[in-house]
Amino acid sequence: SSELTQDPAVSVALGQTVRITCQGDSFRNYYPSWYQQKPGQAPLLVIYGNNARPSGIPNRFSGSSSGNTASLTITGAQAEDEADYYCNSRDSSGNLVVFGEGTKLTVL
Amino acid sequence: QVQLVESGGDLVKPGGSLSLSCAASEFNFNDFYMSWIRQAPGKGLEWISYISGSGHAIYYADSVKGRFTISRDNAKNSLYLQMNYLRADDTAMYYCARSATSYYYYAFDVWGQGTTVTVSS
Repeated sequence: SSELTQDPAVSVALGQTVRITCQGDSFRNYYPSWYQQKPGQAPLLVIYGNNARPSGIPNRFSGSSSGNTASLTITGAQAEDEADYYCNSRDSSGNLVVFGEGTKLTVL
Repeated sequence: QVQLVESGGDLVKPGGSLSLSCAASEFNFNDFYMSWIRQAPGKGLEWISYISGSGHAIYYADSVKGRFTISRDNAKNSLYLQMNYLRADDTAMYYCARSATSYYYYAFDVWGQGTTVTVSS
């Protein structure tokens, strides 16, 4: 079982703001990373480290963490943001890597 | 552009073996940790192993430890995964991914398109 817990599904109205969360004790020591995966495609890194965005990722994507909860916020969600979103982190030992179970985001 | 291309996926019987390869291009391969990640049909992502740039540091998820072996050949810009004693629950898309790491995070910034492994009699 995963050490990181995500809500299975979240929805957001077009243009509104949505927060996708991920809970795990590892966030007390390590930063989360976030991935977007669309059907039939490989995952795409959207946030890593202390709220860093890879080149080409729109600035409507942002990340934060507090205590044991990490969050991915999409400000002004677009239709193309509809996808599965996964968090990951080092595990509590620091040596292994874990993923959350994923959150399916629907843009209404 | 930076690219990872996996190969070697196949249909294999339970208890069998399979070897996957990942060819890297357009980056200094030996500077990066590399990982294998899998995704069972309709399921989430599961990290299974990573290897340091030098090959000296290797870690596995408990689900594959003792059955799978990760390796790399920096001269060939290639990553490998030897899978033995395969089980039905190893059926998945297997992704090769470049690691972007620090003490504080472990991210995967470049992914291949994946190769499909099916374990069935």
